[in-house]
Amino acid sequence: DAKTTQPNSMESNEEEPVHLPCNHSTISGTDYIHWYRQLPSQGPEYVIHGLTSNVNNRMASLAIAEDRKSSTLILHRATLRDAAVYYCILRDVRAANAGKSTFGDGTTLTVKP
Amino acid sequence: EAGVAQSPRYKIIEKRQSVAFWCNPISGHATLYWYQQILGQGPKLLIQFQNNGVVDDSQLPKDRFSAERLKGVDSTLKIQPAKLEDSAVYLCASRRTGTYEQYFGPGTRLTVT
Repeated sequence: DAKTTQPNSMESNEEEPVHLPCNHSTISGTDYIHWYRQLPSQGPEYVIHGLTSNVNNRMASLAIAEDRKSSTLILHRATLRDAAVYYCILRDVRAANAGKSTFGDGTTLTVKP
Repeated sequence: EAGVAQSPRYKIIEKRQSVAFWCNPISGHATLYWYQQILGQGPKLLIQFQNNGVVDDSQLPKDRFSAERLKGVDSTLKIQPAKLEDSAVYLCASRRTGTYEQYFGPGTRLTVT
C-alpha cells in the first residue's frame, strides 16, 4: 500500500489559515487522496478528497501538487472546533480494493485562541 | 439520516475473557468496516464487508478475532480470548456503493485488565 507522511503536530492561531502538508511520493495513478479528521473521543469524519485537480468544499480546500507526490489541506479560518488529528490517506479505487485505505498516525492540530 | 451506531460505548474485561461489539451501519450502505485504534495511533483496518461477504480480512488476528454480517446489515466483532494488547477503541464505519466517503461510528473503548 502507498504510504503517506505527515508532521506529527502543528499549531495555529484562531481565525488564521492553516496549511496541513502530506507527502505521498509512491502514489499510483489509481490512488485518490483523502483527508479525514478525528475530534477528541469521536470517530474520524470525512473532510475532502481529490485525484489531480484542487478541490474545495464547505469544510476545506485540497491543493494537489502537479506530480501528485504531495498535497496540502487548507483550513481557511481555523476555529477552536478544528482542533483534531488530521489524516491524509490514499485510497485505491480499483475494483478489488475499492474503499481500502491505510491510516497513518496523522497530524495533531492545536488551535490557540 | 441516522449515523453509524455502535454498542457498547465502553467495556472493561479481564484477559482471557470474551467480548462482542455490535455495529449498525447507515441504511443502504453496503460496505462495512471494522477498525482497531490503539491510543496515539491511527485506525487500523481489521475487516471489510461488502454486503454479507468479506472483502478483506488480511489484518484480522483470526486466532482470536471473528466478525460476521449475516444479513448484510448489522455486524458483530468478537474477541475470544482477549489479551492485554487488545485494549483499544474499536471503530465501525460504513460506505455507500459508488461513493468514497466512510462514515464512522463513535467507537467502543475496550480495556483489558
